[in-house]
Amino acid sequence: QKEVEQNSGPLSVPEGAIASLNCTYSDRGSQSFFWYRQYSGKSPELIMFIYSNGDKEDGRFTAQLNKASQYVSLLIRDSQPSDSATYLCAVRVYSSASKIIFGSGTRLSIRP
Amino acid sequence: GAVVSQHPSRVICKSGTSVKIECRSLDFQATTMFWYRQFPKQSLMLMATSNEGSKATYEQGVEKDKFLINHASLTLSTLTVTSAHPEDSSFYICSASLFRRSPGRGSEQYFGPGTRLTVT
Repeated sequence: QKEVEQNSGPLSVPEGAIASLNCTYSDRGSQSFFWYRQYSGKSPELIMFIYSNGDKEDGRFTAQLNKASQYVSLLIRDSQPSDSATYLCAVRVYSSASKIIFGSGTRLSIRP
Repeated sequence: GAVVSQHPSRVICKSGTSVKIECRSLDFQATTMFWYRQFPKQSLMLMATSNEGSKATYEQGVEKDKFLINHASLTLSTLTVTSAHPEDSSFYICSASLFRRSPGRGSEQYFGPGTRLTVT
């Protein structure tokens, strides 16, 4: 079992709709969770981080964390074509102070 | 947010030569820096983790004698690809870890813009 799992997609969402990206992780002791966005040919860009159970909102983005289910998600409201990218879920492993494990990413496509 | 620079952004070299890539955290001191490699349409692959002043920790399967990492200060890490071959052609990305004491216990990683290496 991979430590961080994501559906590779592609996930196609109409412009203006809500895009929902999901991620599960295996290390129950994980404390920190991150979402990165990566455009083709570019390096990843940090969008959100979340440490506590529940929701965290930042503009059109909402991160949701459920530690009991070992599940973290990212919602993108009012999706725009510019949101089309690969979204990487990342988890800081409990045994390491700084090492972050990345999922393989979900490719999101926003269709006009 | 925290800014990480990488230089050069693109390099083309002949087979057998060595290439050095620099990674700098510009507005924060990075406790740890990471080096990744990414082939087209594939996910990030962690190559090594480096802490300032100590030897890098390499991931399984990564040759430490081929990929030399030096972390001389809290703001600079370098990756040298020695005796590069065409199969080393890839997108190399560094990231720097910003450790926060609050809120929560965590450290975000901020990525540099990447270096595209082509070995001919």
